[in-house]
Amino acid sequence: GENVEQHPSTLSVQEGDSAVIKCTYSDSASNYFPWYKQELGKRPQLIIDIRSNVGEKKDQRIAVTLNKTAKHFSLHITETQPEDSAVYFCAASLGSARQLTFGSGTQLTVLP
Amino acid sequence: DGGITQSPKYLFRKEGQNVTLSCEQNLNHDAMYWYRQDPGQGLRLIYYSQIVNDFQKGDIAEGYSVSREKKESFPLTVTSAQKNPTAFYLCASGTLQGESSYNEQFFGPGTRLTVL
Repeated sequence: GENVEQHPSTLSVQEGDSAVIKCTYSDSASNYFPWYKQELGKRPQLIIDIRSNVGEKKDQRIAVTLNKTAKHFSLHITETQPEDSAVYFCAASLGSARQLTFGSGTQLTVLP
Repeated sequence: DGGITQSPKYLFRKEGQNVTLSCEQNLNHDAMYWYRQDPGQGLRLIYYSQIVNDFQKGDIAEGYSVSREKKESFPLTVTSAQKNPTAFYLCASGTLQGESSYNEQFFGPGTRLTVL
């Protein structure tokens, strides 16, 4: 099956700085890579995703890059704000039911 | 994601008891999924279903059971065989129609199960 590793597990940045979270996956057949944001006690919410036929996608302050050769994808958040503080999860999709395998999460703290 | 509901929000169980967690969606999604989340950890897949009356085991199915009698509903039973059931349980759904290779999953609000 698929295995997704996520780094770092915790990340603190000053407000206005950029944050980068990295994930690697093991199965080259994975073809969809979403990123979820989860606030304390709440449900995960999709913030951005990328398909395997695309190398980069951007949505305002958030961007995701995918390197299929290296089986590596990253989340970039620019001009961070305190409300960006949350746990972020990467995931990879594989299988006929498109089930997701999640990374272990990154606790992002944006310091004012 | 307002189209997926889970109940109850909090659930307390005594050891040795089975308990059933409810998950309902009105998004007309084909696929439904159950995940378990432990503190400080990611989501792990318990069971999933692509179609009514069919479901498959995920990575951590032991001690759990599911049914999919209706497209809208995918209840999860935590049995007494699950040795460490205290966790946050999340249900999700997604479509399998349309473009072939991706599936945004929408999550319910979760059920926090505590075994006393």
